[in-house]
Amino acid sequence: AAGVIQSPRHLIKEKRETATLKCYPIPRHDTVYWYQQGPGQDPQFLISFYEKMQSDKGSIPDRFSAQQFSDYHSELNMSSLELGDSALYFCASSLGLANNEQFFGPGTRLTVL
Amino acid sequence: AQKITQTQPGMFVQEKEAVTLDCTYDTSDPSYGLFWYKQPSSGEMIFLIYQGSYDQQNATEGRYSLNFQKARKSANLVISASQLGDSAMYFCAMREGPSSNTGKLIFGQGTTLQVKP
Repeated sequence: AAGVIQSPRHLIKEKRETATLKCYPIPRHDTVYWYQQGPGQDPQFLISFYEKMQSDKGSIPDRFSAQQFSDYHSELNMSSLELGDSALYFCASSLGLANNEQFFGPGTRLTVL
Repeated sequence: AQKITQTQPGMFVQEKEAVTLDCTYDTSDPSYGLFWYKQPSSGEMIFLIYQGSYDQQNATEGRYSLNFQKARKSANLVISASQLGDSAMYFCAMREGPSSNTGKLIFGQGTTLQVKP
């Protein structure tokens, strides 16, 4: 069965650079969530989209922005990267907002040097 | 505000034995969902099991079962017949119901499980 696809899987950036993370949800899933997991931490919700509209916003820095496109894939844009942005970034998808299944992608490991 | 608590930072279990990972939650929403995820050292988040707040029966998925005690606000994960491959971090998570118009998950701190041969 198709799973959530994230690219790239690993990314190394310098401070103050920009990064774009991509997420391709499971086919027919219309909802995408982004989470950030720092080293040794639990995942923290950043932002979500339902039917290409932002549905909720968590602790996402103003330096970050995201959107969901017409094909339901989503991109997380991160600018002015800081050392503290080094983390594992997960995208998850579901069918609708209150679904009992939320499937995670393999994550993008971002390292900021 | 909703909250998830996992009080066991680390657990050991002998191979082939059963183990229970604790999770308590707090929410004022009458409708919510509880999830368990497994995160191996490779980093991916693997969905294990789901329990809805209105589900009458405890959820089961193969060797995983969820001991749901609504009055005590606990949703413990039971893994039967532990295998070496079960060694991983386990996260309990909660999603508030449709009334909050969001599907975001709130995670607990996680429990690291080590299965001994």
